Amino acid sequence: GIQVEQSPPDLILQEGANSTLRCNFSDSVNNLQWFHQNPWGQLINLFYIPSGTKQNGRLSATTVATERYSLLYISSSQTTDSGVYFCAVTQGGSEKLVFGKGTKLTVNP
Amino acid sequence: GAVVSQHPSWVICKSGTSVKIECRSLDFQATTMFWYRQFPKQSLMLMATSNEGSKATYEQGVEKDKFLINHASLTLSTLTVTSAHPEDSSFYICSASASTYEQYFGPGTRLTVT
Repeated sequence: GIQVEQSPPDLILQEGANSTLRCNFSDSVNNLQWFHQNPWGQLINLFYIPSGTKQNGRLSATTVATERYSLLYISSSQTTDSGVYFCAVTQGGSEKLVFGKGTKLTVNP
Repeated sequence: GAVVSQHPSWVICKSGTSVKIECRSLDFQATTMFWYRQFPKQSLMLMATSNEGSKATYEQGVEKDKFLINHASLTLSTLTVTSAHPEDSSFYICSASASTYEQYFGPGTRLTVT
């Protein structure tokens, strides 16, 4: 099956810093989503981005489907950005999301 | 929009009893619902996929007689953990999707079996 790799596994930032999280996938996909799992466990949809670039406030994402990667940019990070960021994909006609192992982000005040 | 709720948010039960977890899509009709399990500091593991009115499709290694899934309507799916044992303690998360492939997740249910 498809492999989804996220990097880095852990990231520690000072408040106000910028960061880039990466998601590589081993095969073509028809859906890619980025999620933020907060400390209480809730997964929050950040982007539905099988291709192209999207922006939402301080967050933006770019997926280059032909090169099989996606990037999540966080600018001017805040302590509330802390948590685990997951990338997940589907392929073919399947609706099943395959998750990466996540990037744990800690933003210190 | 696209809100998914789960109930209860946490539950403690004794070994050998059964526990039912509800997953509801509050503002959209979900053609498909998914159940995941997450162990501490790990990623989400898909347990099963369910479509309204159909039997659930379980992932390899998931015991369908232990984890009963019912998708009674386009807004409600339930997961029943039967004869629970301490090793079933985990964080269970549901998600729902409509006509697109985008999935929306519930807040999760933390199950502790004593």
